[in-house]
Amino acid sequence: DTEVTQTPKHLVMGMTNKKSLKCEQHMGHRAMYWYKQKAKKPPELMFVYSYEKLSINESVPSRFSPECPNSSLLNLHLHALQPEDSALYLCASSQRQESEQYFGPGTRLTVT
Amino acid sequence: AQSVTQLGSHVSVSEGALVLLRCNYSSSVPPYLFWYVQYPNQGLQLLLKYTSAATLVKGINGFEAEFKKSETSFHLTKPSAHMSDAAEYFCAVFGNQFYFGTGTSLTVIP
Repeated sequence: DTEVTQTPKHLVMGMTNKKSLKCEQHMGHRAMYWYKQKAKKPPELMFVYSYEKLSINESVPSRFSPECPNSSLLNLHLHALQPEDSALYLCASSQRQESEQYFGPGTRLTVT
Repeated sequence: AQSVTQLGSHVSVSEGALVLLRCNYSSSVPPYLFWYVQYPNQGLQLLLKYTSAATLVKGINGFEAEFKKSETSFHLTKPSAHMSDAAEYFCAVFGNQFYFGTGTSLTVIP
């Protein structure tokens, strides 16, 4: 099974809302990632978790807060977002950081 | 530092024609290289990967790529394009993290 699942598929939220994105994998991968992707652009790395510890934070604003409750789950908590945060948010996982990454289908986020 | 450059942000081919998508890498060490495909409103799907085992790498959906160290290239090819190949293609290299190219949008003309 090489599947990474993400929920929800679509999310519309106001700038004062608090919401969370969820990502799950059951491949035994020890590295998990959050990416942000704007239309017609490559994914931009946001966070990397390795063995459930945050190893890379690419200077992401604090209104994005990642959480890795266990080796299979990755959450992204959202609070006080701006309209420019509207994008496709992709989760990925890999066996090791240099291994191929497997991506979920993404959550399409719209901030109004 | 590692990086990849994809030449041509848009490529159009006729159905049945050869597909060639170009990727050049910059790396001071033997690289890990990857090609991904993204269909509209979907995540990225791994097409193939190079990890130094063989210079010609075969992937899914009839795609293959050849690692050429002398040219620092890892171009993606497919002998005969299908309509279903229309998508965005990303080349990526692993340095201390994944670095994606800017992407190439492939259009297949019937």
